[in-house]
Amino acid sequence: GAVVSQHPSRVICKSGTSVKIECRSLDFQATTMFWYRQFPKQSLMLMATSNEGSKATYEQGVEKDKFLINHASLTLSTLTVTSAHPEDSSFYICSGKGSRWSRSYNEQFFGPGTRLTVL
Amino acid sequence: QKEVEQNSGPLSVPEGAIASLNCTYSDRVSQSFFWYRQYSGKSPELIMSIYSNGDKEDGRFTAQLNKASQYVSLLIRDSQPSDSATYLCAAEGEYGNKLVFGAGTILRVKS
Repeated sequence: GAVVSQHPSRVICKSGTSVKIECRSLDFQATTMFWYRQFPKQSLMLMATSNEGSKATYEQGVEKDKFLINHASLTLSTLTVTSAHPEDSSFYICSGKGSRWSRSYNEQFFGPGTRLTVL
Repeated sequence: QKEVEQNSGPLSVPEGAIASLNCTYSDRVSQSFFWYRQYSGKSPELIMSIYSNGDKEDGRFTAQLNKASQYVSLLIRDSQPSDSATYLCAAEGEYGNKLVFGAGTILRVKS
């Protein structure tokens, strides 16, 4: 399968600060990237879908001004959690989906995730 | 009816047995289906994708799709303790692109 990386893997920050998480597709071009959040013992929750060069589409209930998503290239998307609060503490996971012409078209590959703890 | 439904389990099987994981889906998803494995504290890992009726085999894993009955299954042969994880069934949403996940089935393989 294709490889997606995330950085950092773990971050601890103070309430009120902003945190940026990077998601990179290492061996394929991800025309679409997705950002999920997962609380302990719960299902994955899709936060937003981003297409390269376009504004992200946010799921209902997800604040776009709080969770800023940028998908500037076919291999990089970033999620910035602005003015983080303890309730934002969660496991954030990105995934990438290849273009129509890629070997793994139609399949989503997940990054290893970023565990955010807001104090 | 939920778009993708799975029994949450846990499903317990002895080492070496066949584990059978099932998933049903509604008309509100498209015809692309995926099985992911998620270990505790880790992100999901793609095991298999299946788009056509019938069976698709990859090593110890076999995915089965029955569009008439709207179910997808995953068989794991010669189950190992390392297969113990949550298995997520997913389908592409009605309008494509987004994945719709089932709640996941916890599998426990006992040695």
